Amino acid sequence: EVQLVESGGGLVQPGGSLRLSCAASGFTFSSYSMNWVRQAPGKGLEWVSYISSSSSTIYYADSVKGRFTISRDNAKNSLYLQMNSLRAEDTAVYYCARGGGLTETAYFDYWGQGTLVTVSS
Amino acid sequence: DIQMTQSPSTLSASVGDRVTITCRASQSISSWLAWYQQKPGKAPKLLIYDASSLESGVPSRFSGSGSGTEFTLTISSLQPDDFATYYCQQYDSYFTFGPGTKVDIK
Repeated sequence: EVQLVESGGGLVQPGGSLRLSCAASGFTFSSYSMNWVRQAPGKGLEWVSYISSSSSTIYYADSVKGRFTISRDNAKNSLYLQMNSLRAEDTAVYYCARGGGLTETAYFDYWGQGTLVTVSS
Repeated sequence: DIQMTQSPSTLSASVGDRVTITCRASQSISSWLAWYQQKPGKAPKLLIYDASSLESGVPSRFSGSGSGTEFTLTISSLQPDDFATYYCQQYDSYFTFGPGTKVDIK
């Protein structure tokens, strides 16, 4: 059974940093691209970042470019999101999601349960 | 950047109704479109990918169609478990979600 479990969320002050983790199991992690998607309270879904299976290709949404860094450790079956210079508008539930198709960029076929990040003083 | 729109934003329907949600892309995305269902407090669930392919385990009352810039998600006979918010997503160029369509009880 495919499982994605996020951790690392919490309350942080504006300008602060936080590192999210996503532990994957039930599939060959190193064969799949991965993504971070966020959802602000009461709002829709916003794609945040993409990383290919080998980490050779990385994309970011404009809203986080230069502040967030995505990475993965295929030996540990783990995905990460380092978030720096956090702003109030980064407050959201952050989901990790697996890229499902055969192409480099694909739909998201499995999602974690999410971890809440709150940026507030 | 590719922008996605959905209509309607809210849809009130009854059990047994046929429901159609429309998604439009600001430029052609071929068939690189997915549909997701999300219930309150839960992660989104993939329903349809490549515009019309049904994800494994998803009931056959869900179907998708379209290509280019206009797409539809149809629920042939709405069931109690289907009251939720539905999002389209393009993956032709990076990734963009539509704003969502909430299906509630009439």
